Formats: sequence, C-alpha cells, structure tokens
Amino acid sequence: AQSVTQPDIHITVSEGASLELRCNYSYGATPYLFWYVQSPGQGLQLLLKYFSGDTLVQGIKGFEAEFKRSQSSFNLRKPSVHWSDAAEYFCAVGARWTGNQFYFGTGTSLTVIP
Amino acid sequence: DAGVIQSPRHEVTEMGQEVTLRCKPISGHNSLFWYRQTMMRGLELLIYFNNNVPIDDSGMPEDRFSAKMPNASFSTLKIQPSEPRDSAVYFCASSPTPGQSGTKDTGELFFGEGSRLTVL
Repeated sequence: AQSVTQPDIHITVSEGASLELRCNYSYGATPYLFWYVQSPGQGLQLLLKYFSGDTLVQGIKGFEAEFKRSQSSFNLRKPSVHWSDAAEYFCAVGARWTGNQFYFGTGTSLTVIP
Repeated sequence: DAGVIQSPRHEVTEMGQEVTLRCKPISGHNSLFWYRQTMMRGLELLIYFNNNVPIDDSGMPEDRFSAKMPNASFSTLKIQPSEPRDSAVYFCASSPTPGQSGTKDTGELFFGEGSRLTVL
C-alpha cells in the first residue's frame, strides 16, 4: 500500500540553524515525490519535486531535498533557517499513471526561535 | 494566471444545515481534487475527478457528502445535513492530467486557499 510517513510532528530550530525534515514513503512503483509548505491560513504551496534524474533537487526559498531509493526517503533540508520558514511542511508521493493520485504525510510543524 | 479559486473562505453554520463549497480549478487542468484538513487526521483526500468524471470517491466519509463537477471549470462539495464533526478546512486542488495536450505537465497539485467550515 502507498503511504508517506513524516516521523517528526513538530520541530523547533533556532534562526540561522540548519534544518532537516524527514520523509519516508512506501510505494509500489517509481514515485514522484513532492514537498509542500503551508503557512497559517493558507493553502499548500509546492517547494520542490522529484521525478527522475539527479537525486538532489533544489526548490524555492533555499530548500533542497535528496531522494534515496535504498532508504525510501526524501528528506527536506535547508542550510540556514529564517523566521519566515515557520510553517507546516508536507511530503507527498504520487504516480502519473495512477490518475494523479497523491498521498500526503501528516505534516511536520516547524517553529523558528530567534 | 489565476490560481484555484475557492468560495466561501469561511462558513459558519448550524448543525443540520446544508453546506455547499465551490471550486474553480486552473483553466486547462483536467484533474480536480477535494481534500479535508483537520488537526486529528491531517490532509484527507475526499474525491478526485478526471475530465469531470469522479474517479475515486472512497474518501468521502459518508452519504451526507456529495461532490459534482458539471463542467471543466466548476466543482461543488456539498454536505447535507452538516454535523459539528464536519468542521474542518476543505481544500480544492487541480492538476493537468498526465499526457494532457496543450498543458505543461509538472505533475504537482495546485491548491486553493481553502474553505474553513465551522458547524455549531
């Protein structure tokens, strides 16, 4: 069965510190992987995505993620966190041939302290 | 380009009333999704359409929920009768269908800003 696991419900980091949000997936085929960010009261915005090719993908706002097939992971990273990065982050997996079905993780809430 | 447009942004109603949420997808997108977001269950897919046809409605919680897509530019999610446990934020999202001609298939979902429903 397809599923996405985000083991960290909540993470607190200091501004300027590095960040890594974990995502593990279970999928029966080659997945398409996504990270979305949700600011309070807003919809979800795409940060980055992986379809194929280079396993290290760059996204908006200085975020990057690395696809590791052997670990079924797609962790999100940022070298230096800004206070404006405080938000909810969702990992998602999908496959084009399943009619665009997407599976979202439960989200990780990020708090940034000065 | 206009994004996904949802209305109303906020709805407060009393138990037993009918609620209709509306969504206008991005022009040219052939796939449309309705999600519900709550603190307890996170993001849940309720139903999705391809070319106005419901493909998977297994996430619709019960018969009180219904969704329609009468044309490519409009969809509704209706709850009748509403109950307090339906209180949530309901998101609509659209996406180009894989291989859809004339569109740039980026494979991602584009979300609206959501409709926050409170049932008293």
